[in-house]
Amino acid sequence: GEDVEQSLFLSVREGDSSVINCTYTDSSSTYLYWYKQEPGAGLQLLTYIFSNMDMKQDQRLTVLLNKKDKHLSLRIADTQTGDSAIYFCAERGLNSNYQLIWGAGTKLIIKP
Amino acid sequence: EPEVTQTPSHQVTQMGQEVILRCVPISNHLYFYWYRQILGQKVEFLVSFYNNEISEKSEIFDDQFSVERPDGSNFTLKIRSTKLEDSAMYFCASSGTTGSSSYEQYFGPGTRLTVT
Repeated sequence: GEDVEQSLFLSVREGDSSVINCTYTDSSSTYLYWYKQEPGAGLQLLTYIFSNMDMKQDQRLTVLLNKKDKHLSLRIADTQTGDSAIYFCAERGLNSNYQLIWGAGTKLIIKP
Repeated sequence: EPEVTQTPSHQVTQMGQEVILRCVPISNHLYFYWYRQILGQKVEFLVSFYNNEISEKSEIFDDQFSVERPDGSNFTLKIRSTKLEDSAMYFCASSGTTGSSSYEQYFGPGTRLTVT
């Protein structure tokens, strides 16, 4: 079945850029998402990209999609302590009505 | 800003008991979902619901599970006879039906279910 993989941790210095990577197996993915989960909170939709795009920018967030390699990344510019959270990559396939398939989440750790 | 709410935030129940988890989706949304996350594992899709019927369900969503929209605002997940392995965080989500809102699933804060 479909699978989404992410590395579990990323540590960056405050003010640097963070790049969180994700790979997926479903070649029919239509939408790919990034969600943020802060401690004790729910899953916050950050941004998403349609599969016919290769880049989407939204303020400090840049999403890059390499459909050939099935690779998605989320770049956070000027990382702040408030960006500390777990970031989940998720995909929605063509054969699914609305089901999202999730990665395990990447914990972003900010060093002062 | 409208948001999805869930109650209770934490539910403790004994094995074999029935539980009902409640959700209030965003008011103009018409698609509703349940996901769960067992501690240390990935978020897993359970079921999607539209127009008063299940539109899609996963293998996890067996006969022990049911969903209902009992009134115009609530969306519930019932587990008939809980098992230890049902212990997880349960997330409710909703999405709209038109344009970009149909691609955006908004999640509630979750209900942590502990089965003892």
